[in-house]
Formats: sequence, C-alpha cells, structure tokens
Amino acid sequence: GAGVSQSPRYKVAKRGQDVALRCDPISGHVSLFWYQQALGQGPEFLTYFQNEAQLDKSGLPSDRFFAERPEGSVSTLKIQRTQQEDSAVYLCASSPGRRSEKLFFGSGTQLSVL
Amino acid sequence: SQQGEEDPQALSIQEGENATMNCSYKTSINNLQWYRQNSGRGLVHLILIRSNEREKHSGRLRVTLDTSKKSSSLLITASRAADTASYFCATDDNQGGKLIFGQGTELSVKP
Repeated sequence: GAGVSQSPRYKVAKRGQDVALRCDPISGHVSLFWYQQALGQGPEFLTYFQNEAQLDKSGLPSDRFFAERPEGSVSTLKIQRTQQEDSAVYLCASSPGRRSEKLFFGSGTQLSVL
Repeated sequence: SQQGEEDPQALSIQEGENATMNCSYKTSINNLQWYRQNSGRGLVHLILIRSNEREKHSGRLRVTLDTSKKSSSLLITASRAADTASYFCATDDNQGGKLIFGQGTELSVKP
C-alpha cells in the first residue's frame, strides 16, 4: 500500500516568501506528526494532530509556523516570511492509533531559504 | 529540545562485526523506540520496547532497556554493509503524545 507522501520533495524559497508543505498520511491513520531535521541532527518535534485536532504545537519555533489538518487526513505546514534559519528537512509521520507508537515517515521536504 | 542522547555519535565497523549503540533519556517513559534513517530518506521504525520490558529481539536486533538508569542499547549482530545508516532512539512524553528523538548514531559498515 501507499506510504506517507510529502510534496514538494525540494523547495527553494527567497527570504521573506511564504511556503506550504503538504503531507498525505497513510489512509486511516489517526495521528499525524511534523518534525524539523537539521543536517546531521535528530528530528525536532514541531506539532501533532489526532484526526483534525491539533493536540500539541509546542514545538513550532515561532508564530510564522502554522499547521492544519482540516478533514483529519491531509496536512499542510505553512511557513510565513521564511528566514534562512528555516532551512531544514521537514518530515511528516503518521501512526494508526492515538499514541505515538510506530510512526511511519515520509521522505521529507528539503527547504532551502536563500 | 532533545530528550535522548545517543553514543557514540559515529561508529565504523567491518561487515560481520556487531554494532552497539546506546541511548540515555531524561524523563519517565511509556516506551522507547529505535528508528533507522538512510541518507536523504525518512525514518523507518525498527523496534519498540515498553517500560516494563527489559529486553526485546527482532531478527538481528536486540534492544535492552534499563529504566533505573534511563538508558537503552541497540545491538545489531553480524552487521552488513546495508546496515549503514543513522540510528535514532525516541521516547514518548509519558502521555502517548509526541515522540522525542535523540541526536542519532551514524553507523558505517565497511564491506
């Protein structure tokens, strides 16, 4: 079956531009997670949904970051007025249940802000 | 912020040798998981061990958990060149919500 799909695979943005990153989780998966991964580092938690409810957004670095999952399936991570420090790989993951057990990850979106 | 810390940061071994990676964490947990990441790819779940378990096996993988020391180890036996990847431990926040990852161990297995 299809895994977690993220698009675009690569995104280059000029500083100050807004970007939107899409995540298609595995069909039927309840929980969806967004992580930010800098080169050579572990993934850093950004935010987490159960169905359409955003239960934890404590990891979002600033109010320029916004995530939504309006119908409990596809999710979008939006970054407004991008800065160079936003350059990273953004990973999406989903899991079938309500707990963070056995996450299935997409291949990520590599964002470069010039 | 990271919950777990892995050591070593990098490990280079020959094919056929065993590889051991360690993870320490800070707060109480429900479970601890290990993931693998090949370069340029997403993470792949390897194994989950619950807080009331001390050891778990899956194929060539052996995981131990010591909750009194807040540490875990991942052993890969009879390593292969295809095991070359970064390995991360991850712990939950004891409420079943977010999963917090360590910094990872970069394993290189030379043929």
